[in-house]
Amino acid sequence: EAGVAQSPRYKIIEKRQSVAFWCNPISGHATLYWYQQILGQGPKLLIQFQNNGVVDDSQLPKDRFSAERLKGVDSTLKIQPAKLEDSAVYLCASRLAGGRNEQFFGPGTRLTVL
Amino acid sequence: GDSVTQMEGPVTLSEEAFLTINCTYTATGYPSLFWYVQYPGEGLQLLLKATKADDKGSNKGFEATYRKETTSFHLEKGSVQVSDSAVYFCALSEQTGANNLFFGTGTRLTVIP
Repeated sequence: EAGVAQSPRYKIIEKRQSVAFWCNPISGHATLYWYQQILGQGPKLLIQFQNNGVVDDSQLPKDRFSAERLKGVDSTLKIQPAKLEDSAVYLCASRLAGGRNEQFFGPGTRLTVL
Repeated sequence: GDSVTQMEGPVTLSEEAFLTINCTYTATGYPSLFWYVQYPGEGLQLLLKATKADDKGSNKGFEATYRKETTSFHLEKGSVQVSDSAVYFCALSEQTGANNLFFGTGTRLTVIP
């Protein structure tokens, strides 16, 4: 079974530029998460989707971050404009809906903002 | 709010040494507890979990026991190998609501031959 796919793996941009990350969850996983992992810290939830609806985006900086999951499968996370403090690894995870099912993580996208 | 406090690293051990990584938590309800591992260049993988007090999670020689009285979930392994070198994250998830994961800061383990 294929795991969670993310692209690109690495991205370097200058501040005030825009960037987008893509995630393809495991087939059949209705729940999708985006996490931000700053160097030396644990992952922090940005947004959670259930199918194509948002469950929790309370930690998403909505003035510059946006995310969508239009068909309930793939998802994109966008930052516009980027700031230096957005340098981090952006992790996507998915799980089956309901219960206490395990979250499966992708390899992440490492973003460097110069 | 929910939070996880994890032993700071890095930790360097010789092969076959005993490993303990401490983890304590704060939660409003009765969370599930997890240890995730991140090998170099790879994504987070679930190592083990426990869903209620006194449960013991185990996998690949690692163990952790859910201690409600001390709000702890310490990770242990009796004899580490070079291949165990990775970053280990303690995490919790409330068993109601959105089931979001709250992570500790991670502990980097390096095992030397």
